[in-house]
Amino acid sequence: GQQLNQSPQSMFIQEGEDVSMNCTSSSIFNTWLWYKQDPGEGPVLLIALYKAGELTSNGRLTAQFGITRKDSFLNISASIPSDVGIYFCAGYNNNDMRFGAGTRLTVKP
Amino acid sequence: NAGVTQTPKFQVLKTGQSMTLQCAQDMNHEYMSWYRQDPGMGLRLIHYSVGAGITDQGEVPNGYNVSRSTTEDFPLRLLSAAPSQTSVYFCASGKGPNQPQHFGDGTRLSIL
Repeated sequence: GQQLNQSPQSMFIQEGEDVSMNCTSSSIFNTWLWYKQDPGEGPVLLIALYKAGELTSNGRLTAQFGITRKDSFLNISASIPSDVGIYFCAGYNNNDMRFGAGTRLTVKP
Repeated sequence: NAGVTQTPKFQVLKTGQSMTLQCAQDMNHEYMSWYRQDPGMGLRLIHYSVGAGITDQGEVPNGYNVSRSTTEDFPLRLLSAAPSQTSVYFCASGKGPNQPQHFGDGTRLSIL
């Protein structure tokens, strides 16, 4: 089956720092999605990517769909305390949506 | 604007019991799905539906049944609960399988 490898598993950063996380796979995906999950809630969509090479921003967040269609990254610039949470990548292909294991982000004020 | 509503929020079952997790959405989305979330494993797709009357298996379907009699509702049934089914279950809906999914707040299920 298609597996997603998400890294890093966790990050501890200082407020104001930039953050980068990524997902890789041995399989090709046609869509990459990035979600954020707060405690006790369901994931909420941050960015959706539909074309290889696509670079999309949403405020301080920027994500890219890798040119090989096997990877994607998410950058957060100038982190703030409310960025705390778990970030998930998700890849879609042939009616199959796979999620990474998540990156747990802690931001120290 | 309710979005995706899941009930119950918490449930404790004994091994062998059956139960139904409810999911309803008010966005007229054709695509609905169920995931389970276990520590360190992200979300894994259990079953999905591309429209009323149509369901299919995801990555981890064993021990679960679904039905889709209406566009709005997509219940998940545990036929005979096992401790391995202890997890947090999320229902999601979207315009299509590769479109952004709207998630409910989850049902935390413990099987003793």
